[in-house]
Amino acid sequence: QVQLQESGPGLLKPSETLSLTCTVSGGSISGYFWSWIRQPPGKGLECIGYIYYTGTTSYNPSLKSRVSISVDTSKNQFSLNLSSVTAADTAVYYCARYSTTTLPNWFDSWGQGTLVTVSS
Amino acid sequence: QTVVTQEPSFSVSPGGTVTLTCGLTSGSVSTSYYPSWYRQTPGQAPRTLIYNTNTRSSGVPDRFSGSILGNKAALTITGAQADDESDYYCLVFMGSGSWVFGGGTKVTVL
Repeated sequence: QVQLQESGPGLLKPSETLSLTCTVSGGSISGYFWSWIRQPPGKGLECIGYIYYTGTTSYNPSLKSRVSISVDTSKNQFSLNLSSVTAADTAVYYCARYSTTTLPNWFDSWGQGTLVTVSS
Repeated sequence: QTVVTQEPSFSVSPGGTVTLTCGLTSGSVSTSYYPSWYRQTPGQAPRTLIYNTNTRSSGVPDRFSGSILGNKAALTITGAQADDESDYYCLVFMGSGSWVFGGGTKVTVL
């Protein structure tokens, strides 16, 4: 069964760039869509965006100006960059896999999540 | 901008039945929104319960069921158990590659 693991700094200062990597094991990153999702403390889930293994991306309009998602198939990894962070970006960040490449679709695998705190 | 709505909280007695809903501030949720449902306990990642409106994910007991009720997607828990206490989130397809979560429902069993 595929497993996902997020990694990256847990503490950032305002205006810095958040950079996280999701490493996929137990399966290939090829052939799937991959997503980043976040959850501020005590709040709900928010889709940040997703990437197809070929590099095609789609971003949440509310974050689009600050977000970039990339993929490295040779390392079986995909990454998230979020620029100009503020305290409002403090959240647990999850990576997840979409189950198929067509509709209907859903998240069938999740990483355990990593807490990123933005504080001066 | 259309928001995906869920009840903030629900309480159910052990052995009872509860139906959570997932709607839109503008329009109706139908099967064409491909609703899925996720369960999350504190400190854990979400886990898939239901996808494509009413298909149970592998290993999910049949007391969890999904449907469309009126203009909303619905998740029904029949014969609630203590360990069903969780946050439940729906996810819907809004078109143009956009997927949006509802705000989540906190279910208490007491």
